[in-house]
Amino acid sequence: EAQVTQNPRYLITVTGKKLTVTCSQNMNHEYMSWYRQDPGLGLRQIYYSMNVEVTDKGDVPEGYKVSRKEKRNFPLILESPSPNQTSLYFCASRTDRLRGKLFFGSGTQLSVL
Amino acid sequence: GQQLNQSPQSMFIQEGEDVSMNCTSSSIFNTWLWYKQEPGEGPVLLIALYKAGELTSNGRLTAQFGITRKDSFLNISASIPSDVGIYFCAGQQGEGAQKLVFGQGTRLTINP
Repeated sequence: EAQVTQNPRYLITVTGKKLTVTCSQNMNHEYMSWYRQDPGLGLRQIYYSMNVEVTDKGDVPEGYKVSRKEKRNFPLILESPSPNQTSLYFCASRTDRLRGKLFFGSGTQLSVL
Repeated sequence: GQQLNQSPQSMFIQEGEDVSMNCTSSSIFNTWLWYKQEPGEGPVLLIALYKAGELTSNGRLTAQFGITRKDSFLNISASIPSDVGIYFCAGQQGEGAQKLVFGQGTRLTINP
């Protein structure tokens, strides 16, 4: 089954404790991206990657890091999480040929205390 | 960052009613998309629009790409309980542009 898989689904952590949210897609998509969803703000892009070893900042990159060492994986790293990073996070991917048609993972609800 | 203005923010309707929502921008987009998010899941693509004036249907859903390329509309006819969710519009500006800009979402609640 074609899918984008994120882990974990839920995560509660404390301020300053490094964490990684994993994302993997099995569709051989070139493009991958991370979004955060906050009430009243919709989905805002954090980082995106157009292919292996190619990453770029989205609208809200502060406090986040990403890497794209393999085509299928695009982990999101929070080196020192803060409470304002409490949010619902989505990973998404698409092929270059399908303009705008993103496939989303099921989301990771992160709470930073 | 740029964001689309989506309205209404929420809707409470009776089953069987028709629904309309829209999205506007001060900038021109060459692709408009509508996604639906159900509780506990990520957004799923409903309709994609690629030409100004284009009208596209997907079952009871109909979406239009505004002539000015600065807006889009989504209509749902004869709503049913499974239509409940958050609907997002999204726009992309260029052929090579990699960023998809999202609206704030419209939360649809249906009373049976």
